[in-house]
Amino acid sequence: AQRVTQPEKLLSVFKGAPVELKCNYSYSGSPELFWYVQYSRQRLQLLLRHISRESIKGFTADLNKGETSFHLKKPFAQEEDSAMYYCALTTTNAGNNRKLIWGLGTSLAVNP
Amino acid sequence: NAGVMQNPRHLVRRRGQEARLRCSPMKGHSHVYWYRQLPEEGLKFMVYLQKENIIDESGMPKERFSAEFPKEGPSILRIQQVVRGDSAAYFCASSPKGGSMNTEAFFGQGTRLTVV
Repeated sequence: AQRVTQPEKLLSVFKGAPVELKCNYSYSGSPELFWYVQYSRQRLQLLLRHISRESIKGFTADLNKGETSFHLKKPFAQEEDSAMYYCALTTTNAGNNRKLIWGLGTSLAVNP
Repeated sequence: NAGVMQNPRHLVRRRGQEARLRCSPMKGHSHVYWYRQLPEEGLKFMVYLQKENIIDESGMPKERFSAEFPKEGPSILRIQQVVRGDSAAYFCASSPKGGSMNTEAFFGQGTRLTVV
Protein backbone atom coordinates (compact mmCIF):
# COMPACT_ATOMS: atom_id res chain seq x y z
CA ALA A 1 0.00 0.00 0.00
CA GLN A 2 1.17 3.52 -0.72
CA ARG A 3 1.83 5.44 2.44
CA VAL A 4 3.78 8.48 3.61
CA THR A 5 4.81 8.73 7.26
CA GLN A 6 5.91 11.86 9.02
CA PRO A 7 6.63 10.68 12.55
CA GLU A 8 6.87 14.11 14.18
CA LYS A 9 3.72 16.15 14.55
CA LEU A 10 5.65 19.08 16.02
CA LEU A 11 9.29 20.05 15.83
CA SER A 12 10.66 22.97 17.79
CA VAL A 13 14.18 24.33 17.27
CA PHE A 14 16.09 27.50 18.00
CA LYS A 15 17.10 29.96 15.33
CA GLY A 16 20.40 28.96 13.78
CA ALA A 17 20.09 25.31 14.76
CA PRO A 18 20.00 22.54 12.15
CA VAL A 19 16.62 21.10 11.35
CA GLU A 20 15.55 17.78 9.90
CA LEU A 21 11.96 16.89 9.14
CA LYS A 22 11.56 13.19 8.66
CA CYS A 23 9.59 11.49 5.92
CA ASN A 24 9.39 7.80 5.15
CA TYR A 25 7.37 6.26 2.39
CA SER A 26 6.00 2.93 1.34
CA TYR A 27 5.56 2.32 -2.36
CA SER A 28 6.43 -0.63 -4.55
CA GLY A 29 7.24 1.32 -7.71
CA SER A 30 9.42 4.34 -8.37
CA PRO A 31 8.02 7.20 -6.35
CA GLU A 32 8.13 10.87 -7.15
CA LEU A 33 8.49 12.73 -3.86
CA PHE A 34 7.69 16.27 -2.86
CA TRP A 35 7.82 18.58 0.11
CA TYR A 36 5.03 21.13 0.38
CA VAL A 37 4.91 23.99 2.86
CA GLN A 38 2.04 25.99 4.27
CA TYR A 39 2.92 29.24 6.01
CA SER A 40 0.42 30.77 8.37
CA ARG A 41 -2.68 32.01 6.51
CA GLN A 42 -1.23 31.08 3.13
CA ARG A 43 -1.98 28.38 0.63
CA LEU A 44 -0.13 25.12 0.38
CA GLN A 45 2.80 25.50 -2.00
CA LEU A 46 5.46 23.29 -3.43
CA LEU A 47 8.82 23.61 -1.68
CA LEU A 48 10.89 21.09 -3.58
CA ARG A 49 10.78 17.78 -5.41
CA HIS A 50 13.32 15.05 -5.50
CA ILE A 51 13.77 14.89 -9.27
CA SER A 52 14.99 18.50 -9.35
CA ARG A 53 17.72 17.89 -6.78
CA GLU A 54 17.47 21.57 -5.90
CA SER A 55 17.89 23.65 -2.79
CA ILE A 56 15.03 26.03 -2.02
CA LYS A 57 15.26 28.57 0.80
CA GLY A 58 18.24 26.63 2.08
CA PHE A 59 16.28 23.36 2.31
CA THR A 60 17.42 20.15 0.68
CA ALA A 61 16.00 16.66 0.59
CA ASP A 62 17.65 13.50 -0.66
CA LEU A 63 15.77 10.44 -1.72
CA ASN A 64 17.21 7.37 0.00
CA LYS A 65 15.65 4.34 -1.66
CA GLY A 66 17.38 1.91 0.66
CA GLU A 67 15.82 3.54 3.72
CA THR A 68 12.70 4.65 1.80
CA SER A 69 13.18 8.12 3.19
CA PHE A 70 13.02 11.69 1.92
CA HIS A 71 14.01 13.78 4.92
CA LEU A 72 13.99 17.57 4.62
CA LYS A 73 17.05 19.34 6.00
CA LYS A 74 18.32 22.84 6.58
CA PRO A 75 21.62 23.57 8.32
CA PHE A 76 20.56 26.83 9.97
CA ALA A 77 16.88 27.39 10.72
CA GLN A 78 15.35 30.85 10.44
CA GLU A 79 12.25 32.17 12.19
CA GLU A 80 10.51 32.60 8.84
CA ASP A 81 10.80 28.84 8.31
CA SER A 82 8.09 28.30 10.90
CA ALA A 83 5.28 26.58 9.00
CA MET A 84 3.52 23.31 8.38
CA TYR A 85 5.50 20.93 6.17
CA TYR A 86 3.97 18.07 4.24
CA CYS A 87 5.75 15.23 2.52
CA ALA A 88 3.92 13.69 -0.44
CA LEU A 89 4.47 11.11 -3.11
CA THR A 90 2.87 10.42 -6.44
CA THR A 91 3.14 7.53 -8.80
CA THR A 92 5.14 7.94 -11.97
CA ASN A 93 3.80 5.07 -13.99
CA ALA A 94 0.11 5.65 -13.78
CA GLY A 95 -0.34 7.45 -17.07
CA ASN A 96 -2.68 10.35 -16.58
CA ASN A 97 -3.91 9.05 -13.27
CA ARG A 98 -1.96 11.30 -10.93
CA LYS A 99 -2.71 11.75 -7.27
CA LEU A 100 -0.67 12.78 -4.31
CA ILE A 101 -0.40 10.63 -1.19
CA TRP A 102 0.22 12.84 1.82
CA GLY A 103 1.87 12.55 5.18
CA LEU A 104 0.10 14.05 8.18
CA GLY A 105 2.44 17.01 8.27
CA THR A 106 5.01 18.36 10.72
CA SER A 107 4.61 21.74 12.31
CA LEU A 108 8.00 23.43 12.53
CA ALA A 109 8.44 26.15 15.11
CA VAL A 110 11.69 28.13 15.01
CA ASN A 111 12.20 30.04 18.22
CA PRO A 112 14.29 33.21 18.50
CA ASN B 1 -2.62 34.81 -13.20
CA ALA B 2 -4.57 34.82 -9.95
CA GLY B 3 -3.77 31.24 -9.07
CA VAL B 4 -6.26 28.59 -8.09
CA MET B 5 -9.35 30.25 -6.67
CA GLN B 6 -11.69 28.51 -4.30
CA ASN B 7 -14.94 29.90 -2.99
CA PRO B 8 -16.33 30.32 -0.58
CA ARG B 9 -13.44 30.34 1.89
CA HIS B 10 -15.78 29.44 4.71
CA LEU B 11 -19.12 27.68 4.46
CA VAL B 12 -21.52 26.85 7.24
CA ARG B 13 -24.34 24.42 6.61
CA ARG B 14 -26.95 22.80 8.79
CA ARG B 15 -27.23 19.04 8.82
CA GLY B 16 -29.21 17.85 5.82
CA GLN B 17 -28.43 20.84 3.60
CA GLU B 18 -26.34 20.80 0.46
CA ALA B 19 -22.84 22.23 0.18
CA ARG B 20 -21.36 23.42 -3.11
CA LEU B 21 -17.66 24.16 -3.25
CA ARG B 22 -16.18 25.85 -6.28
CA CYS B 23 -12.72 25.74 -7.73
CA SER B 24 -11.43 27.81 -10.62
CA PRO B 25 -8.11 26.37 -11.81
CA MET B 26 -5.19 28.43 -12.95
CA LYS B 27 -5.44 29.75 -16.48
CA GLY B 28 -4.41 27.10 -18.95
CA HIS B 29 -4.82 24.24 -16.48
CA SER B 30 -7.15 21.46 -17.50
CA HIS B 31 -6.61 19.06 -14.59
CA VAL B 32 -8.25 19.50 -11.23
CA TYR B 33 -7.83 17.54 -8.01
CA TRP B 34 -9.88 17.70 -4.86
CA TYR B 35 -8.51 16.82 -1.44
CA ARG B 36 -10.10 16.74 1.99
CA GLN B 37 -8.38 17.44 5.28
CA LEU B 38 -10.28 16.28 8.31
CA PRO B 39 -9.37 17.75 11.71
CA GLU B 40 -6.14 16.26 13.02
CA GLU B 41 -5.60 14.31 9.79
CA GLY B 42 -3.56 14.74 6.65
CA LEU B 43 -4.79 15.57 3.20
CA LYS B 44 -6.70 12.77 1.49
CA PHE B 45 -7.22 12.52 -2.25
CA MET B 46 -10.84 12.57 -3.32
CA VAL B 47 -11.17 12.96 -7.08
CA TYR B 48 -9.22 13.86 -10.21
CA LEU B 49 -11.01 15.50 -13.11
CA GLN B 50 -10.25 16.80 -16.54
CA LYS B 51 -12.65 18.97 -18.47
CA GLU B 52 -15.95 17.10 -18.69
CA ASN B 53 -14.37 13.86 -17.45
CA ILE B 54 -13.89 12.19 -14.11
CA ILE B 55 -10.57 10.37 -14.32
CA ASP B 56 -10.24 8.94 -10.82
CA GLU B 57 -12.85 9.15 -8.08
CA SER B 58 -11.42 6.41 -5.90
CA GLY B 59 -11.23 8.72 -2.89
CA MET B 60 -14.81 9.94 -3.06
CA PRO B 61 -17.34 8.61 -0.57
CA LYS B 62 -19.84 6.45 -2.43
CA GLU B 63 -22.87 8.42 -1.36
CA ARG B 64 -23.78 12.11 -1.19
CA PHE B 65 -20.55 13.34 -2.82
CA SER B 66 -20.18 14.26 -6.46
CA ALA B 67 -17.82 16.36 -8.54
CA GLU B 68 -17.84 17.89 -11.97
CA PHE B 69 -15.59 20.01 -14.14
CA PRO B 70 -17.69 21.36 -17.01
CA LYS B 71 -16.40 22.67 -20.29
CA GLU B 72 -17.10 26.19 -19.10
CA GLY B 73 -16.91 27.37 -15.53
CA PRO B 74 -15.36 26.14 -12.33
CA SER B 75 -15.10 22.65 -10.94
CA ILE B 76 -17.81 21.93 -8.37
CA LEU B 77 -17.62 19.57 -5.42
CA ARG B 78 -21.15 18.89 -4.23
CA ILE B 79 -22.07 17.34 -0.91
CA GLN B 80 -25.72 16.49 -0.43
CA GLN B 81 -27.42 16.09 2.94
CA VAL B 82 -24.34 17.11 4.87
CA VAL B 83 -23.53 15.53 8.23
CA ARG B 84 -21.24 16.72 11.00
CA GLY B 85 -18.52 14.33 9.83
CA ASP B 86 -18.27 16.27 6.57
CA SER B 87 -16.81 19.24 8.45
CA ALA B 88 -13.31 19.64 7.03
CA ALA B 89 -11.09 21.76 4.85
CA TYR B 90 -11.50 20.97 1.16
CA PHE B 91 -8.60 21.84 -1.10
CA CYS B 92 -8.53 22.05 -4.84
CA ALA B 93 -5.39 21.84 -6.93
CA SER B 94 -4.81 22.23 -10.64
CA SER B 95 -2.07 21.33 -13.06
CA PRO B 96 -1.54 21.93 -16.77
CA LYS B 97 -1.41 18.24 -17.47
CA GLY B 98 -1.34 15.00 -15.59
CA GLY B 99 1.19 12.23 -15.60
CA SER B 100 4.28 14.26 -16.35
CA MET B 101 7.08 14.18 -13.84
CA ASN B 102 7.77 17.83 -14.46
CA THR B 103 4.37 19.19 -13.63
CA GLU B 104 3.31 20.30 -10.21
CA ALA B 105 -0.05 20.91 -8.73
CA PHE B 106 -0.94 24.42 -7.58
CA PHE B 107 -3.27 24.65 -4.64
CA GLY B 108 -6.13 26.92 -3.75
CA GLN B 109 -6.56 28.31 -0.27
CA GLY B 110 -9.25 25.82 0.56
CA THR B 111 -12.85 25.95 1.68
CA ARG B 112 -13.52 25.28 5.32
CA LEU B 113 -16.88 23.57 5.67
CA THR B 114 -18.56 23.55 9.05
CA VAL B 115 -21.72 21.53 9.54
CA VAL B 116 -23.80 22.57 12.52
